[in-house]
Amino acid sequence: DTAVSQTPKYLVTQMGNDKSIKCEQNLGHDTMYWYKQDSKKFLKIMFSYNNKELIINETVPNRFSPKSPDKAHLNLHINSLELGDSAVYFCASSQLAGAYNEQFFGPGTRLTVL
Amino acid sequence: KQEVTQIPAALSVPEGENLVLNCSFTDSAIYNLQWFRQDPGKGLTSLLLIQSSQREQTSGRLNASLDKTSGRSTLYIAASQPGDSATYLCAVKDSGGSNYKLTFGKGTLLTVNP
Repeated sequence: DTAVSQTPKYLVTQMGNDKSIKCEQNLGHDTMYWYKQDSKKFLKIMFSYNNKELIINETVPNRFSPKSPDKAHLNLHINSLELGDSAVYFCASSQLAGAYNEQFFGPGTRLTVL
Repeated sequence: KQEVTQIPAALSVPEGENLVLNCSFTDSAIYNLQWFRQDPGKGLTSLLLIQSSQREQTSGRLNASLDKTSGRSTLYIAASQPGDSATYLCAVKDSGGSNYKLTFGKGTLLTVNP
């Protein structure tokens, strides 16, 4: 059983397009996250939602808009894609937003902007 | 601002050898530390989670230690196998202001040669 799943796994698109990445978790967790792993393999948090409410929003361009229709889903919509958006995007979840909870990661979505 | 450093950046060992991966962090006010494994083109697999009140955690051939005061953690892998080849990431959770988030190191690329 897949705990945290993402679609698509690969996404290749042209500059200027708008695209979405979907994430679902079946762990019953309340908190979900989006991370970006750049070409240097550096992983940084972008957003966090707890029970459909935004609780972390790092310095991310407002072209990136997360949407959480329910606590099992956190989608990432990106407008006007730029070359620098090329990266691997990871979704994660944890039981609560609290200090001591373990995070579980999805398989990642490799986005390539041409 | 929390910074996490992992040394070495890459490590190559013969099969059967015991090895240690190092992780250091600048702000000792952490809640927990998590070690992950990332295989090429894959997501992150959580290996061990050490809460700030703990000194170590063990899982099979893996042992992780935490010295919060000095800002260090080590991941010890006993009797390494080619299947252990992967990138190992260390991440610490701190309050980062008012929200709990993971800050990652850049990882250690481990190659175990048969």
